[in-house]
Amino acid sequence: NAGVTQTPKFQVLKTGQSMTLQCAQDMNHNSMYWYRQDPGMGLRLIYYSASEGTTDKGEVPNGYNVSRLNKREFSLRLESAAPSQTSVYFCASSVSGKGTGELFFGEGSRLTVL
Amino acid sequence: DQQVKQNSPSLSVQEGRISILNCDYTNSMFDYFLWYKKYPAEGPTFLISISSIKDKNEDGRFTVFLNKSAKHLSLHIVPSQPGDSAVYFCALTGANSKLTFGKGITLSVRP
Repeated sequence: NAGVTQTPKFQVLKTGQSMTLQCAQDMNHNSMYWYRQDPGMGLRLIYYSASEGTTDKGEVPNGYNVSRLNKREFSLRLESAAPSQTSVYFCASSVSGKGTGELFFGEGSRLTVL
Repeated sequence: DQQVKQNSPSLSVQEGRISILNCDYTNSMFDYFLWYKKYPAEGPTFLISISSIKDKNEDGRFTVFLNKSAKHLSLHIVPSQPGDSAVYFCALTGANSKLTFGKGITLSVRP
């Protein structure tokens, strides 16, 4: 049982390049999330999907787009990468978007934008 | 405007002693409080939680205390073990059901 799987684990981009971070969960969870973690900043919500077919902006959505491809998969796209997007990105899922808030996280994807 | 504050960036304790990690919040609308633990190169994992109707929740060596009037949350680890060395995040949720995380505290437990 893999839980939440993110790919790639590491990526180096040049400014202006685009890329997509992939996330899949096998726990039949309804809600999925993308967070970024920066030194001294904790975890900040980029986008989330409360259920299949819906997506909403979080705290720091600028420069990103998301797609909830199906119940299992939630991708994060950087259309034109900027050095400010250098960060560690975490995908997470939960049974639902309401209630206890317990999230299950992937191992993270470390992105460097030069 | 920081809604969730973990003012001490790090804490070092001796193995066997108590670790106390603190978290303060400003928004009284938060009604569910969680602690996550994170090892290097791994994603955060859920540790323990408490709802606003309680003031204490215990799970083995881990106890979370909630003081709503002071808007203060704390995690006690007794006894502390070297394997507890990690970054600990408090996370709060309210009516919008989205988690707001603190910046994290790095705990080091010395053998």
